[in-house]
Amino acid sequence: AQSVAQPEDQVNVAEGNPLTVKCTYSVSGNPYLFWYVQYPNRGLQFLLKYITGDNLVKGSYGFEAEFNKSQTSFHLKKPSALVSDSALYFCAVRDTSGGYQKVTFGTGTKLQVIP
Amino acid sequence: ETGVTQSPTHLIKTRGQQVTLRCSSQSGHNTVSWYQQALGQGPQFIFQYYREEENGRGNFPPRFSGLQFPNYSSELNVNALELDDSALYLCASSLTSGPQETQYFGPGTRLLVL
Repeated sequence: AQSVAQPEDQVNVAEGNPLTVKCTYSVSGNPYLFWYVQYPNRGLQFLLKYITGDNLVKGSYGFEAEFNKSQTSFHLKKPSALVSDSALYFCAVRDTSGGYQKVTFGTGTKLQVIP
Repeated sequence: ETGVTQSPTHLIKTRGQQVTLRCSSQSGHNTVSWYQQALGQGPQFIFQYYREEENGRGNFPPRFSGLQFPNYSSELNVNALELDDSALYLCASSLTSGPQETQYFGPGTRLLVL
Protein backbone atom coordinates (compact mmCIF):
# COMPACT_ATOMS: atom_id res chain seq x y z
CA ALA A 1 0.00 0.00 0.00
CA GLN A 2 1.17 3.50 -0.73
CA SER A 3 0.99 6.41 1.70
CA VAL A 4 2.01 10.02 2.05
CA ALA A 5 2.73 12.03 5.17
CA GLN A 6 2.75 15.80 5.46
CA PRO A 7 3.88 16.30 9.04
CA GLU A 8 3.01 19.99 9.30
CA ASP A 9 -0.59 21.14 9.26
CA GLN A 10 0.56 24.74 8.79
CA VAL A 11 3.76 26.52 7.82
CA ASN A 12 4.24 30.22 8.44
CA VAL A 13 6.95 32.14 6.62
CA ALA A 14 7.73 35.82 6.16
CA GLU A 15 7.45 37.26 2.67
CA GLY A 16 10.81 37.11 0.91
CA ASN A 17 12.11 34.25 3.05
CA PRO A 18 12.69 30.74 1.70
CA LEU A 19 9.96 28.22 2.32
CA THR A 20 9.88 24.45 2.70
CA VAL A 21 6.81 22.22 2.85
CA LYS A 22 7.66 18.69 3.91
CA CYS A 23 6.47 15.40 2.43
CA THR A 24 7.50 11.80 3.02
CA TYR A 25 6.13 8.78 1.21
CA SER A 26 5.91 5.01 1.27
CA VAL A 27 5.47 2.79 -1.79
CA SER A 28 6.32 -0.78 -2.68
CA GLY A 29 7.84 0.08 -6.06
CA ASN A 30 9.40 3.18 -7.53
CA PRO A 31 7.40 6.33 -6.83
CA TYR A 32 5.86 8.94 -9.00
CA LEU A 33 5.56 12.06 -6.82
CA PHE A 34 3.45 15.16 -7.31
CA TRP A 35 2.77 18.49 -5.67
CA TYR A 36 -0.54 20.32 -6.09
CA VAL A 37 -1.78 23.63 -4.71
CA GLN A 38 -5.37 24.43 -3.77
CA TYR A 39 -6.69 27.94 -3.36
CA PRO A 40 -9.94 28.55 -1.43
CA ASN A 41 -13.03 27.27 -3.26
CA ARG A 42 -10.89 26.06 -6.15
CA GLY A 43 -9.75 22.73 -7.50
CA LEU A 44 -6.19 21.48 -7.36
CA GLN A 45 -3.54 23.01 -9.58
CA PHE A 46 -0.52 20.99 -10.66
CA LEU A 47 2.86 22.39 -9.54
CA LEU A 48 5.45 19.74 -10.39
CA LYS A 49 6.19 16.05 -10.54
CA TYR A 50 9.06 13.61 -10.19
CA ILE A 51 9.08 10.64 -12.51
CA THR A 52 12.74 9.77 -12.96
CA GLY A 53 16.08 11.45 -13.54
CA ASP A 54 17.33 14.58 -11.82
CA ASN A 55 16.44 14.64 -8.14
CA LEU A 56 15.75 18.38 -8.25
CA VAL A 57 12.52 19.11 -10.06
CA LYS A 58 11.49 22.62 -11.09
CA GLY A 59 7.86 23.54 -11.45
CA SER A 60 5.38 26.36 -11.78
CA TYR A 61 5.52 29.74 -10.01
CA GLY A 62 9.17 29.32 -8.97
CA PHE A 63 8.59 26.18 -6.90
CA GLU A 64 10.97 23.25 -6.88
CA ALA A 65 11.14 19.95 -5.06
CA GLU A 66 13.96 17.61 -4.13
CA PHE A 67 13.51 13.86 -4.37
CA ASN A 68 15.52 11.97 -1.74
CA LYS A 69 15.21 8.22 -2.13
CA SER A 70 17.14 7.28 1.01
CA GLN A 71 14.95 9.51 3.17
CA THR A 72 11.80 8.78 1.11
CA SER A 73 11.12 12.51 1.00
CA PHE A 74 9.94 14.98 -1.60
CA HIS A 75 10.00 18.40 0.05
CA LEU A 76 8.61 21.44 -1.76
CA LYS A 77 10.76 24.55 -1.74
CA LYS A 78 10.83 28.13 -2.98
CA PRO A 79 13.74 30.54 -2.53
CA SER A 80 11.61 33.62 -1.84
CA ALA A 81 8.00 33.39 -0.66
CA LEU A 82 5.23 35.66 -1.92
CA VAL A 83 2.02 36.56 -0.11
CA SER A 84 0.17 35.11 -3.10
CA ASP A 85 1.74 31.70 -2.34
CA SER A 86 -0.55 31.41 0.69
CA ALA A 87 -2.67 28.34 -0.01
CA LEU A 88 -3.12 24.65 0.78
CA TYR A 89 -0.43 22.36 -0.60
CA PHE A 90 -0.84 18.65 -1.24
CA CYS A 91 1.82 16.03 -1.86
CA ALA A 92 0.72 12.92 -3.76
CA VAL A 93 2.27 9.61 -4.74
CA ARG A 94 1.60 6.90 -7.27
CA ASP A 95 3.21 3.48 -7.20
CA THR A 96 4.70 2.65 -10.58
CA SER A 97 3.58 -0.95 -10.20
CA GLY A 98 -0.03 0.19 -10.57
CA GLY A 99 -1.58 0.05 -13.99
CA TYR A 100 -3.87 2.95 -13.33
CA GLN A 101 -3.82 6.28 -11.67
CA LYS A 102 -4.71 5.56 -8.06
CA VAL A 103 -3.16 8.56 -6.43
CA THR A 104 -2.70 8.83 -2.69
CA PHE A 105 -2.71 12.37 -1.34
CA GLY A 106 -1.38 13.69 1.92
CA THR A 107 -3.64 15.60 4.28
CA GLY A 108 -2.31 18.93 3.12
CA THR A 109 -0.18 21.73 4.56
CA LYS A 110 -1.53 25.24 4.83
CA LEU A 111 1.11 27.76 3.86
CA GLN A 112 0.73 31.23 5.31
CA VAL A 113 3.08 33.90 3.97
CA ILE A 114 3.18 36.90 6.26
CA PRO A 115 3.72 40.34 4.68
CA GLU B 1 -7.39 27.51 -16.09
CA THR B 2 -7.15 23.70 -16.52
CA GLY B 3 -9.83 23.28 -19.18
CA VAL B 4 -11.75 20.87 -16.93
CA THR B 5 -15.24 21.95 -15.93
CA GLN B 6 -17.69 20.50 -13.42
CA SER B 7 -21.38 21.03 -12.76
CA PRO B 8 -23.12 21.95 -10.64
CA THR B 9 -20.84 24.00 -8.40
CA HIS B 10 -22.96 23.39 -5.31
CA LEU B 11 -25.69 20.91 -4.47
CA ILE B 12 -27.86 20.15 -1.46
CA LYS B 13 -29.53 16.75 -1.08
CA THR B 14 -31.21 14.82 1.68
CA ARG B 15 -30.18 11.44 3.05
CA GLY B 16 -31.33 8.56 0.87
CA GLN B 17 -31.53 10.56 -2.32
CA GLN B 18 -29.47 10.01 -5.46
CA VAL B 19 -27.15 12.55 -7.11
CA THR B 20 -25.37 12.90 -10.46
CA LEU B 21 -22.31 15.08 -10.83
CA ARG B 22 -20.87 15.99 -14.22
CA CYS B 23 -17.40 16.64 -15.55
CA SER B 24 -16.13 17.82 -18.91
CA SER B 25 -12.55 16.76 -19.53
CA GLN B 26 -9.82 18.72 -21.20
CA SER B 27 -9.93 18.27 -24.97
CA GLY B 28 -8.16 15.11 -26.14
CA HIS B 29 -7.94 13.55 -22.68
CA ASN B 30 -9.19 9.96 -22.63
CA THR B 31 -8.90 9.33 -18.89
CA VAL B 32 -10.90 10.76 -16.03
CA SER B 33 -10.59 10.14 -12.31
CA TRP B 34 -12.95 11.13 -9.53
CA TYR B 35 -11.98 12.11 -5.99
CA GLN B 36 -13.83 12.87 -2.78
CA GLN B 37 -12.35 15.59 -0.57
CA ALA B 38 -13.88 15.84 2.88
CA LEU B 39 -13.43 19.05 4.81
CA GLY B 40 -9.87 19.40 6.05
CA GLN B 41 -8.69 16.25 4.27
CA GLY B 42 -6.78 15.39 1.13
CA PRO B 43 -8.64 14.03 -1.89
CA GLN B 44 -9.52 10.33 -1.79
CA PHE B 45 -9.47 8.35 -5.03
CA ILE B 46 -12.90 6.99 -5.98
CA PHE B 47 -12.32 5.49 -9.43
CA GLN B 48 -10.82 6.03 -12.87
CA TYR B 49 -12.34 5.65 -16.34
CA TYR B 50 -10.28 5.02 -19.44
CA ARG B 51 -11.98 4.92 -22.83
CA GLU B 52 -15.41 4.50 -21.22
CA GLU B 53 -14.39 1.58 -18.98
CA GLU B 54 -13.68 1.64 -15.27
CA ASN B 55 -10.07 0.51 -14.83
CA GLY B 56 -9.35 1.29 -11.20
CA ARG B 57 -11.28 1.84 -7.99
CA GLY B 58 -10.53 3.03 -4.49
CA ASN B 59 -12.20 1.99 -1.24
CA PHE B 60 -15.67 3.23 -2.05
CA PRO B 61 -18.87 1.15 -1.99
CA PRO B 62 -20.79 0.17 -5.16
CA ARG B 63 -23.34 2.92 -4.61
CA PHE B 64 -20.64 5.17 -6.08
CA SER B 65 -20.71 4.57 -9.83
CA GLY B 66 -19.67 6.39 -12.95
CA LEU B 67 -19.92 6.75 -16.67
CA GLN B 68 -17.59 8.13 -19.30
CA PHE B 69 -18.97 9.12 -22.68
CA PRO B 70 -17.36 9.05 -26.14
CA ASN B 71 -16.86 12.82 -26.01
CA TYR B 72 -14.87 12.25 -22.77
CA SER B 73 -17.41 13.92 -20.55
CA SER B 74 -18.22 11.87 -17.47
CA GLU B 75 -20.61 11.44 -14.58
CA LEU B 76 -20.34 10.40 -10.97
CA ASN B 77 -23.50 8.88 -9.53
CA VAL B 78 -24.07 8.32 -5.85
CA ASN B 79 -27.10 6.38 -4.66
CA ALA B 80 -28.64 6.23 -1.20
CA LEU B 81 -26.82 9.33 0.00
CA GLU B 82 -25.44 9.34 3.52
CA LEU B 83 -24.49 12.30 5.69
CA ASP B 84 -20.80 11.37 5.35
CA ASP B 85 -21.04 11.81 1.59
CA SER B 86 -20.96 15.57 2.18
CA ALA B 87 -17.71 16.67 0.54
CA LEU B 88 -16.07 18.39 -2.40
CA TYR B 89 -16.06 16.07 -5.42
CA LEU B 90 -13.25 16.60 -7.88
CA CYS B 91 -12.74 15.19 -11.31
CA ALA B 92 -9.37 15.11 -13.01
CA SER B 93 -8.56 14.38 -16.63
CA SER B 94 -5.31 13.26 -18.21
CA LEU B 95 -4.05 12.55 -21.69
CA THR B 96 -3.66 8.83 -21.05
CA SER B 97 -4.21 6.39 -18.20
CA GLY B 98 -0.52 5.95 -17.42
CA PRO B 99 0.60 6.61 -13.82
CA GLN B 100 3.18 9.15 -14.98
CA GLU B 101 0.56 11.40 -16.49
CA THR B 102 -0.27 14.76 -14.98
CA GLN B 103 -3.89 15.08 -13.90
CA TYR B 104 -5.76 18.32 -14.48
CA PHE B 105 -8.44 19.01 -11.92
CA GLY B 106 -11.77 20.73 -12.25
CA PRO B 107 -13.00 23.25 -9.65
CA GLY B 108 -15.17 20.65 -7.93
CA THR B 109 -18.77 20.20 -6.90
CA ARG B 110 -19.56 20.80 -3.26
CA LEU B 111 -22.23 18.37 -2.07
CA LEU B 112 -24.08 18.82 1.18
CA VAL B 113 -26.25 15.95 2.43
CA LEU B 114 -28.81 16.85 5.10
